[in-house]
Amino acid sequence: NAGVMQNPRHLVRRRGQEARLRCSPMKGHSHVYWYRQLPEEGLKFMVYLQKENIIDESGMPKERFSAEFPKEGPSILRIQQVVRGDSAAYFCASTGGWDQPQHFGDGTRLSIL
Amino acid sequence: AQKVTQAQTEISVVEKEDVTLDCVYETRDTTYYLFWYKQPPSGELVFLIRRNSFDEQNEISGRYSWNFQKSTSSFNFTITASQVVDSAVYFCALRANNNNDMRFGAGTRLTVKP
Repeated sequence: NAGVMQNPRHLVRRRGQEARLRCSPMKGHSHVYWYRQLPEEGLKFMVYLQKENIIDESGMPKERFSAEFPKEGPSILRIQQVVRGDSAAYFCASTGGWDQPQHFGDGTRLSIL
Repeated sequence: AQKVTQAQTEISVVEKEDVTLDCVYETRDTTYYLFWYKQPPSGELVFLIRRNSFDEQNEISGRYSWNFQKSTSSFNFTITASQVVDSAVYFCALRANNNNDMRFGAGTRLTVKP
């Protein structure tokens, strides 16, 4: 499967725990985007990364959320001290260039107990 | 400011009917891209089409067609002879020049009944 791979598909955490969401872009893609989708809503941009660089994190909450895309390995979206409001589907997308279509992973559904 | 409006929250049709999903966008940029994505009940996002702002030709792909009208800032999507498998949420999205994020509309939930 050469598509965008996200894991886990489902993640359950208790309030106060940490959540780590992983995204491996399509082969040959070096641009990664993270989006959040609340129930019955569209996707909201969070962060845009290229290898080892955060290009734009204007959509990401200032506290508790961080993202990285290391030279080796997947991109990671990290949420510390999760709260109920963090429950959502988190989608990762990758592209080979700014003007190319973004191809999405299947998402990670995060549930906070 | 970039904005995408999908005024139709939900549409229900009977199989074989034609259906048009509306998308209206706002941007001050002259260079931008418009997209449609499909999100079936299984939850993944499937890319359908990309159109750049300089190409107003309408496009047809099988039962799908898209009508891009810059004069009305619209990029509507028509499914001809709808099928049950077309049931999904459809998102229109805008990516404007000098912006890193893609703005999504709220989506239109299409239900095709047999």
